[in-house]
Amino acid sequence: AQSVTQLDSQVPVFEEAPVELRCNYSSSVSVYLFWYVQYPNQGLQLLLKYLSGSTLVESINGFEAEFNKSQTSFHLRKPSVHISDTAEYFCAVSDRRMDSSYKLIFGSGTRLLVRP
Amino acid sequence: DGGITQSPKYLFRKEGQNVTLSCEQNLNHDAMYWYRQDPGQGLRLIYYSQIVNDFQKGDIAEGYSVSREKKESFPLTVTSAQKNPTAFYLCASTQDRSSYNEQFFGPGTRLTVL
Repeated sequence: AQSVTQLDSQVPVFEEAPVELRCNYSSSVSVYLFWYVQYPNQGLQLLLKYLSGSTLVESINGFEAEFNKSQTSFHLRKPSVHISDTAEYFCAVSDRRMDSSYKLIFGSGTRLLVRP
Repeated sequence: DGGITQSPKYLFRKEGQNVTLSCEQNLNHDAMYWYRQDPGQGLRLIYYSQIVNDFQKGDIAEGYSVSREKKESFPLTVTSAQKNPTAFYLCASTQDRSSYNEQFFGPGTRLTVL
């Protein structure tokens, strides 16, 4: 079964600085990868996803993530963060079950704290 | 607007009481899910349903029950058997059981046991 590791529980960074949130998964067989963002007391919103094709995927608000099969990683990056990016970020991988349905496996989350 | 609604947003319960959390979707999705979120632990799957009148246990089903009588609705009951029910509960859905695509989430219900 798949597992997802987010090594950093919290990442503090100053506004306009670059940031990288790390994500590693356990198996590279037919993976589908996702980053979700959660603002306080809200549900999760999809930030970006990798299903196939180009290994670099981008979101509409400046985040990008690169699928690296050899390193089994899907790190999230942004070249310049804003105060409004303060939130919790979850990496997830889609794991195929025996009955051919899919299950999302989530990492433990990384809290991004942007300071002025 | 299409989406998932959860109610109530905040819920308080006395020990020994059962409570039911509502989840409704108008996305015409077949599959629905319930997750529990605790600080520093990410999301853990409680129950999921791939089709009406069918549901399966997730990773932490003990002390919870669900029903799926309608496609749009997937209520979760937290029973008195759940030892530590205080948490944030999230409902989600996907197009169908075989969809590897993203799940859509509701805004969540925060349950506190007094």
